[in-house]
Amino acid sequence: SQQGEEDPQALSIQEGENATMNCSYKTSINNLQWYRQNSGRGLVHLILIRSNEREKHSGRLRVTLDTSKKSSSLLITASRAADTASYFCATEAFYNQGGKLIFGQGTELSVKP
Amino acid sequence: EAGVAQSPRYKIIEKRQSVAFWCNPISGHATLYWYQQILGQGPKLLIQFQNNGVVDDSQLPKDRFSAERLKGVDSTLKIQPAKLEDSAVYLCASSLDMADPQYFGPGTRLLVL
Repeated sequence: SQQGEEDPQALSIQEGENATMNCSYKTSINNLQWYRQNSGRGLVHLILIRSNEREKHSGRLRVTLDTSKKSSSLLITASRAADTASYFCATEAFYNQGGKLIFGQGTELSVKP
Repeated sequence: EAGVAQSPRYKIIEKRQSVAFWCNPISGHATLYWYQQILGQGPKLLIQFQNNGVVDDSQLPKDRFSAERLKGVDSTLKIQPAKLEDSAVYLCASSLDMADPQYFGPGTRLLVL
């Protein structure tokens, strides 16, 4: 079964706007990761946030983590057409020290020029 | 630095036939993963190797799927016999060690008719 659930399932915005995607999970985690997948470049690791962190930035990406609500959000600022892709959150469960990730179903982002 | 290599990129077979996929991880990466991604879903871990030992194969359908990582480098994933529901993209990923970010290959798209 998949631990993470992304919301919304699909999102369409105009270039320059911000995009926010949410992820909820069920069990305690060591870390939560966000990945991007498009047909051209496959699945690419974007950012990792550990359970003791609340916010992390990487370029135009901002990730927050609320362990009390078991949720995370990914914000992409000033979106570009090249950001069009599917975005997945993946969690490493607290009881697992081996790096096993459980992926959500993804949010399909479309950025229109 | 070369990425994760996979072959073939596409494969079409009939049900009950067998098929094999090959993966060459990033040089020096100790951990190797095989995922199955069904259309519209996130990747699901099938098996995880640490060097040439299996760390997790709890979601591998062992009656028909097998995988090996001889010498702790390349890996092969085999399906025998294939079923219609095995149609999916099979992704290989590697990481420097367990719990490090994972780097994914382009995947093998399998269609079972």
